[in-house]
Amino acid sequence: GDSVTQMEGPVTLSEEAFLTINCTYTATGYPSLFWYVQYPGEGLQLLLKATKADDKGSNKGFEATYRKETTSFHLEKGSVQVSDSAVYFCALSDQGNTPLVFGKGTRLSVIA
Amino acid sequence: EAQVTQNPRYLITVTGKKLTVTCSQNMNHEYMSWYRQDPGLGLRQIYYSMNVEVTDKGDVPEGYKVSRKEKRNFPLILESPSPNQTSLYFCASSYKDSNQPQHFGDGTRLSIL
Repeated sequence: GDSVTQMEGPVTLSEEAFLTINCTYTATGYPSLFWYVQYPGEGLQLLLKATKADDKGSNKGFEATYRKETTSFHLEKGSVQVSDSAVYFCALSDQGNTPLVFGKGTRLSVIA
Repeated sequence: EAQVTQNPRYLITVTGKKLTVTCSQNMNHEYMSWYRQDPGLGLRQIYYSMNVEVTDKGDVPEGYKVSRKEKRNFPLILESPSPNQTSLYFCASSYKDSNQPQHFGDGTRLSIL
């Protein structure tokens, strides 16, 4: 079945450091790919998405490119802030009527 | 304000006592779903609904029921809760299906003693 694998956390970075959170997927079709973010005590919020190969999703300084050849959707940000501290989830949707599949989440802590 | 509202936010109860967690959205979304979040396991889908009167099992449906009598509401029912259902639960909705961005509620933390 479909699956998402993302790097284990926690990840601790200093403010203004470069961030990469790796995400790879397995899917039978051509899935849509998502990154969601969960701030403490809150529900998940969509961070960015990509629906086809070579698409780049971007939002709030975060970027991820849909790489079909490597089945990856790595999340990057050039300069993290303390306010970026949260749990980040990679997810895929293979078809609209199948369950959304999430990775296990990566906790990011940014220290000043 | 567009939102997904879950109630209660916290509940401590005992094994076997039926409970319902309500979920309501005000965005006229067709698709709604329930997830549980457990440490080290991420989010797993319990049930989803493509529209009124249409529901289907997700990855971990055992021990749960749902109904979709109205477009805005999608309650999660635990007929006979057990300790292994202690978890953080999220309701989500989207315009059409799982390919669309999901709007999540703030979560319900259930403890089954």
